[in-house]
Amino acid sequence: EPEVTQTPSHQVTQMGQEVILRCVPISNHLYFYWYRQILGQKVEFLVSFYNNEISEKSEIFDDQFSVERPDGSNFTLKIRSTKLEDSAMYFCASSMVLGVRREGRRQETQYFGPGTRLLVL
Amino acid sequence: QKEVEQNSGPLSVPEGAIASLNCTYSDRGSQSFFWYRQYSGKSPELIMSIYSNGDKEDGRFTAQLNKASQYVSLLIRDSQPSDSATYLCAARASGGSYIPTFGRGTSLIVHP
Repeated sequence: EPEVTQTPSHQVTQMGQEVILRCVPISNHLYFYWYRQILGQKVEFLVSFYNNEISEKSEIFDDQFSVERPDGSNFTLKIRSTKLEDSAMYFCASSMVLGVRREGRRQETQYFGPGTRLLVL
Repeated sequence: QKEVEQNSGPLSVPEGAIASLNCTYSDRGSQSFFWYRQYSGKSPELIMSIYSNGDKEDGRFTAQLNKASQYVSLLIRDSQPSDSATYLCAARASGGSYIPTFGRGTSLIVHP
């Protein structure tokens, strides 16, 4: 079964450094997302991406964050100057479509990758 | 501010029992609701989605939605130790934003 993959699984960085988190979404999916989950906290939406542009972003996704689809398979999240509070698990997700109203259809299901655990020291 | 509220638990049930997980949401415009299971240190995995008032059954899982009360629940029948995980409720409004708002999750422990 196809799955979303993420690299690296763990990343330790110094405050102020740039990090790039990588994701390979499921190949026939068109919508891509980044979420983060601070330890013990809620899953929080960061950004969604479609057709090579951001379709939605949250208040968390400020100027230090950027996303890119550099080629046909990878989807990246860059944090320009990391802060201590950026330490979290970052999940990439992808879906075939954005949203449907009809009961029972699974095309909108967001499939999550295994996550990258980022620790900022 | 859209909020999804869940009791953090832990909810402890014996093996074979029914586990009942509850969730309330603040945004009356929410139209789509999801239950995810998250094992410790792992990513969320979708279990059920529900869009209409009433019950939706899938194997041992039943999702229940009451839009008037802004309430969603998940029942797990014949609970197994492997069901022990955190269950996340998420709600998404129709139109405008398609992004789900997650609850903090309820920890379920199924003991043998």
